[in-house]
Parts: sequence; structure tokens; C-alpha cells
Amino acid sequence: EVHLLESGGGLVQPGGSLTLSCVGSEFSVSGYAMSWVRQAPGKGLEWVSSISSSGGTTYYAESVQGRFIVSRDNSKNTLYIQMSSLRAEDTAVYFCARDRCSVANCPSDFWGQGTLVTVSS
Amino acid sequence: AIRMTQSPSSISVSTGDRVTITCRASQGISSYLAWYQQKPGKAPKLLIYAASTLQSGVPSSFSGSGSGTDFTLTINCLQSEDFATYYCQQYYNYPYTFGQGTKLEMK
Repeated sequence: EVHLLESGGGLVQPGGSLTLSCVGSEFSVSGYAMSWVRQAPGKGLEWVSSISSSGGTTYYAESVQGRFIVSRDNSKNTLYIQMSSLRAEDTAVYFCARDRCSVANCPSDFWGQGTLVTVSS
Repeated sequence: AIRMTQSPSSISVSTGDRVTITCRASQGISSYLAWYQQKPGKAPKLLIYAASTLQSGVPSSFSGSGSGTDFTLTINCLQSEDFATYYCQQYYNYPYTFGQGTKLEMK
């Protein structure tokens, strides 16, 4: 069964940095675009970023553009997101998700369980 | 960015009920519309994509319709396991955007 496991969440001070990882199992991530979606406590879902299967194309929400960098290592079946200049409003559970295609214009069909990022002093 | 507006925000329903949730896009998105179900503390689950295509393994009690700007998720004969929050998402263009969610509450 397809499985995604995020890691790297935790408590970070405002202005700090954090990198999240997401390892896929029972499928090869190299065939799929991948996305990050977050959910602030008690709030709805917010798309954050997507990356094409090759890693050659990336997309970002305006709220994280210039602060977050999405990347992937297909040899490790792993997706990453580097987050810098973190703000209190970045506090959320971050989900990684597999998209139903390799490039763009696809929904996410499998999701990890999420990792909590808390930005606070 | 395309704005997605769901209604209602919450609804009180009973098992066996037929439930309809609507989602409106601020501009035309063809059929690039997905519906997700999320239970507390869990990851979202894809139910429907391309506005009306049922994801594998999803019960046929779920159905979707619409195109352009107006979409509907219908749940027939609501089961206890269907109490959750439902989100629509447009993937017509980036940034992908979600509706604010519709929470099904027990009457």
C-alpha cells in the first residue's frame, strides 16, 4: 500500500529555519509530482508548494514564495521542503502528498499523516 | 488566485440523510475540481477528482457533478463514518486553492 511519512517538524523560533522530509514507500516517487499542504490549528487546508516528477518545475503559494524551497531526491524516494524566515503564521501541520500525475493539474491521491511545525519564541 | 467558496460551512444531519455540499469557483476551472474528506487528526482523503470521477475504493454513495464555476458533492444515505469535514480544491492553475470546508455534524 502506498505510504508517505513526513518528519522534521518541531518547535522553531520566529525567523528560524526548518527542513521537512517525506519518504515514500510501496511506490516510486519519480513517477509523480508531489505537493505540500498545511493546516493551521483548527483551520482549513492551504496548498503550499508542488514539484514536478523530475524536480524541474516548482510552484509556491504567495505566502511562502521566497522563504520556502521544495526539492526532491528520487534516488532516495524522498521529498523535502526547506523553510526559512519562519513566522508565527507558518505554524501548522504540514502534509506531503502524491499527485495523480507527473507534472501539473492533478489532485493529490495519497497523503502522509503530517508533521507539526510550531513557530514560537 | 482562484477563490473557492463552499456552502454551507456546517450542516447538522442524521444517518440515512442525503447531503449536498456546493462549491463555487471565482472563475471557470473546467472540471479541475477535487473533493476531499478529512476526519479529526487525520490526513485528507481524496474522494472525487475531475469533478465527477470517483477515486478507487470510495463508496458509490459519494458523487460529484458540475463544471465551470459551480460544483456539487452529494452523499446518499449518510453513514456514521461519513461524519467529517469536506473540502473542495481547484487544480486548474497554481496556486491550487481549497474551499473553507464543510463540517457534517450529527443532528
